Amino acid sequence: AQKVTQAQTEISVVEKEDVTLDCVYETRDTTYYLFWYKQPPSGELVFLIRRNSFDEQNEISGRYSWNFQKSTSSFNFTITASQVVDSAVYFCALSEYEQAGTALIFGKGTTLSVSS
Amino acid sequence: SAVISQKPSRDICQRGTSLTIQCQVDSQVTMMFWYRQQPGQSLTLIATANQGSEATYESGFVIDKFPISRPNLTFSTLTVSNMSPEDSSIYLCSVAGRFYEQYFGPGTRLTVT
Repeated sequence: AQKVTQAQTEISVVEKEDVTLDCVYETRDTTYYLFWYKQPPSGELVFLIRRNSFDEQNEISGRYSWNFQKSTSSFNFTITASQVVDSAVYFCALSEYEQAGTALIFGKGTTLSVSS
Repeated sequence: SAVISQKPSRDICQRGTSLTIQCQVDSQVTMMFWYRQQPGQSLTLIATANQGSEATYESGFVIDKFPISRPNLTFSTLTVSNMSPEDSSIYLCSVAGRFYEQYFGPGTRLTVT
């Protein structure tokens, strides 16, 4: 069965610190997609990144970077030089290829608090 | 990415009543999804709504409680029926993007008293 685990419930950092959010997934499929979403206090879910199972290249977008390792079934998210505006709940999610276009399976989320 | 709007953005309802939530997309999409996010929790899929067919409900959700309409390719409604305080949640609709990501509406914050 597919499952997404975000073991970190809450993380608190001070501005300018780097922080890594962990995501471990389980799936029986060889083709699947992984996602990260941000949910700021306003409540809207913001799509951050999508990765398919055949693309293990790490990605960097500004202060954000993602590390995908199939060997450990992990898709971790790092924020460099965190800012107060990064405070939000971050969700990791999984979609299997056979179910593509159907629902995402979400982890429980990690609440990140960045203080000034 | 699609632009999705939801109405109402929030509501406070009395137990035993029903609320219909509207979801409007700025482009035609085949599949729309309805999720529930209970306070402090993750998102749980309620149902998948395809235009022209009955919605497909996930385990634990039934049509009598959460009837869904999908009259065309840009619109859907979710009704929360016979509400109880346990239905207090954020309800979100979403659509699938080109590469299987999903884009979400702003959500409807429902409080049942």
